[in-house]
Amino acid sequence: QVTLRESGPALVKPTQTLTLTCTFSGFSLSSSGMCVSWIRQPPGKALEWLALIDWDDDKYYTTSLKTRLTISKDTSKNQVVLTMTNMDPVDTATYYCARILNWNVFDYWGQGTLVTVSS
Amino acid sequence: SSELTQDPAVSVALGQTVRITCQGDSLRSYYASWYQQKPGQAPVVVIYGKNNRPSGIPDRFSGSSSGNTASLTITGAQAEDEADYYCNSRDNSGNQFLWVFGGGTKLTVL
Repeated sequence: QVTLRESGPALVKPTQTLTLTCTFSGFSLSSSGMCVSWIRQPPGKALEWLALIDWDDDKYYTTSLKTRLTISKDTSKNQVVLTMTNMDPVDTATYYCARILNWNVFDYWGQGTLVTVSS
Repeated sequence: SSELTQDPAVSVALGQTVRITCQGDSLRSYYASWYQQKPGQAPVVVIYGKNNRPSGIPDRFSGSSSGNTASLTITGAQAEDEADYYCNSRDNSGNQFLWVFGGGTKLTVL
């Protein structure tokens, strides 16, 4: 059974760095074809793809946020970590992690974690 | 990066058929996936690839594609199908390893 769960602070201040952790089970990120991705959704708005890391430790970022994002993995802990620097109130959103299978489909999602950016 | 365009809102009478569309240049190269999101819940994939339904997704959901347009069709819409629907695909504007989501379509079942 594949599961993913996001964790991290619910509230961050402007200019701070956000660190989110995706803890997963039911698959190995060292298996060929496996990727884990981060997606966010501001309240009442659309999904926005942020970043992904694949089984070979290749990392990809959305162009608009590339300078602020870092994704990494700890295969032994079954975790993927996303950091986003210089947080702003417009970054307030629910952040999801999801598995991408064979570069084809986001087939399993976490329940999401709401991050509010406010002083 | 690529963009995917969806109609913001669509409505359908209970039991009727509705088509939700997604347009973008990346769809000429890659299949779209479709995700259903109900209020307060995470998205759930309903269609991916050429026309694949994950286990547990009713067969009233189907997908198709032509040129730069992908479509999600619900044949015999049910009240529980009322939700937001998002398409996504890989990006073909320069880096094929990036992804993009559409702006979402709010489906109302009347």
